[in-house]
Order: sequence, then C-alpha cells, then structure tokens
Amino acid sequence: ETGVTQSPTHLIKTRGQQVTLRCSSQSGHNTVSWYQQALGQGPQFIFQYYREEENGRGNFPPRFSGLQFPNYSSELNVNALELDDSALYLCASSSSGRQYEQYFGPGTRLTVT
Amino acid sequence: AQTVTQSQPEMSVQEAETVTLSCTYDTSESNYYLFWYKQPPSRQMILVIRQEAYKQQNATENRFSVNFQKAAKSFSLKISDSQLGDTAMYFCAFAVAGNNRKLIWGLGTSLAVNP
Repeated sequence: ETGVTQSPTHLIKTRGQQVTLRCSSQSGHNTVSWYQQALGQGPQFIFQYYREEENGRGNFPPRFSGLQFPNYSSELNVNALELDDSALYLCASSSSGRQYEQYFGPGTRLTVT
Repeated sequence: AQTVTQSQPEMSVQEAETVTLSCTYDTSESNYYLFWYKQPPSRQMILVIRQEAYKQQNATENRFSVNFQKAAKSFSLKISDSQLGDTAMYFCAFAVAGNNRKLIWGLGTSLAVNP
C-alpha cells in the first residue's frame, strides 16, 4: 500500500508569484484535504476534495484554489503569493470506509521572499 | 465555533516513565471524533490514536491511551514506557461528524523524552 506523497519537498518563491503543490492520495482513498501549518502552529484547514468536488473550505481567500483528479490525486494552487503564505503545506487523504482518519503526506515547505 | 486547547507548550519525561498530555475542546455538537497526532522532526504527521465521542470506553493503542471525559470536554493522552522515538510535537485534533471531515487542531505540545 502506497502512502500519501507530496511534491515538491521544498519550494522558494517570490512575493506575487504563483505556485502549484501536488499530492497523491493513499491507495483506496477518495478524499483529499489540504492544511497550512505556519511555524510553531497547528495546521489550519484550507479545503477538502471528495470525488473531484470541493467538499468544504476553511477561512482562506480565493487565491487559494485546488483540484482533484479522477485518480484522486490533488493540486493546491496559490496565486499572488504573500510573505505570510510561507508555511508547511500538508495534504491528507482518507477513505469512505474509515471516515475521519486522515493520513498525511510529508508536506511541502514553501518559503516566500 | 469549535476550538481545541493544549495548555502545555512543552513537556519532558525520562525514558521508560509515563507522561500525560492535556487537551480540552469546545463544541456544541454531540457527534464528533477526537484524535492525537504526532509530528516528529521529520514533520510527517502520524495518527497516534482516535476516539469516537459516542464511545464511553477509552481508546488504547499499545503504549498510548486516552482519558476521554465528555462532560468536561477533556481528552488527554497518556504515553507509558516512554521511548526516545516518542520525542515529537503532539497535536490534539477534533472533527465533527458529517460530510466535511475537516480537522480542527490545537497548537501542539512539544514532548522531549530524555535518556
């Protein structure tokens, strides 16, 4: 069974640029959630995708957007990057059979300069 | 609004001893799930244990157990026979039952296990 993978591991961008982060869900999982974890903080829910549809969104502006593909992998896109977007971005997947148990990838560390 | 509070930013324990991490939460919902996650320096978030609110019996997973007090909205984690590999940030998290499975997180407790 393959776990959740994320790419890239690290990323450095300049303020105003756009970034795309990628996540492959664990085999058999159809739900992907994205979280932002600032340094020294707990994760904050960005949004969730279930069977290619957005299934809930946290308190993040529209410049944070996402996609889920037929194979349940997902992308997080952030436009017009701001310095405060610097964080660890975590992707988690879960299945219908064992709801609420989310399995996380290793994260993407985004630094905005 | 649902919130999760972890009142201990840092804790330490000697190897082989027992330590308890505290967590309280606030919600008006009756059906929900509680979790403890571990985030070692490698930063991968690992599920340690989960508890369904409708279950009165406290969950256990090997050396990890919880003390779930629903009326007090308290959900503490006990780690027995602490090992060096238990050194990590520990996060308490909460999810309301329903279609949206988003997790609401505390700020975490940094646990150091000393040899």
